[in-house]
Amino acid sequence: SQKIEQNSEALNIQEGKTATLTCNYTNYSPAYLQWYRQDPGRGPVFLLLIRENEKEKRKERLKVTFDTTLKQSLFHITASQPADSATYLCARNTGKLIFGQGTTLQVKP
Amino acid sequence: KAGVTQTPRYLIKTRGQQVTLSCSPISGHRSVSWYQQTPGQGLQFLFEYFSETQRNKGNFPGRFSGRQFSNSRSEMNVSTLELGDSALYLCASSFTGGTGANVLTFGAGSRLTVL
Repeated sequence: SQKIEQNSEALNIQEGKTATLTCNYTNYSPAYLQWYRQDPGRGPVFLLLIRENEKEKRKERLKVTFDTTLKQSLFHITASQPADSATYLCARNTGKLIFGQGTTLQVKP
Repeated sequence: KAGVTQTPRYLIKTRGQQVTLSCSPISGHRSVSWYQQTPGQGLQFLFEYFSETQRNKGNFPGRFSGRQFSNSRSEMNVSTLELGDSALYLCASSFTGGTGANVLTFGAGSRLTVL
């Protein structure tokens, strides 16, 4: 089956540093990988989509990479702020969107 | 434009009862997906509807069912509730769904507590 895995341990970083979250997938490379942000008690919100033939995608302080050799996507938040504290989910499309468990990021002032 | 609307936001039921949750997608979106979210399992796919037809189904028992109406609004039903059904139920809509770049817009969810 097509799985998608994220580090379930929380990531704690200091304000101003770069946060890096990892998403690994199994079997064949998905055509797209997506990243979402979820705040407590709310639904996930779409952040970025990266295609298989794109190495990197940026949006403001966010950057996503897609490495089909390592079967991995990295999600970076530069100059992190306490407001970036949330759970970040990656997802792959297998005809239905399958999500990883999410990684909770805590940015401390 | 209005986002995805889910009702009710919170509800409490007892074991053995049934529950119906409602979802109004973004105007023009024809695909509606449902997910169950629990702390232990994360976001689990329940089913997806497109143009009133169930197009995909997750690995949930038959107690979980859904439907979609001609205006794309969707409902899901859980019968014979069990304690383990306590979860946040999320609805998400997209324009087409399927295997394309299927970006989902989620509602705020319906928090179900089964006592």
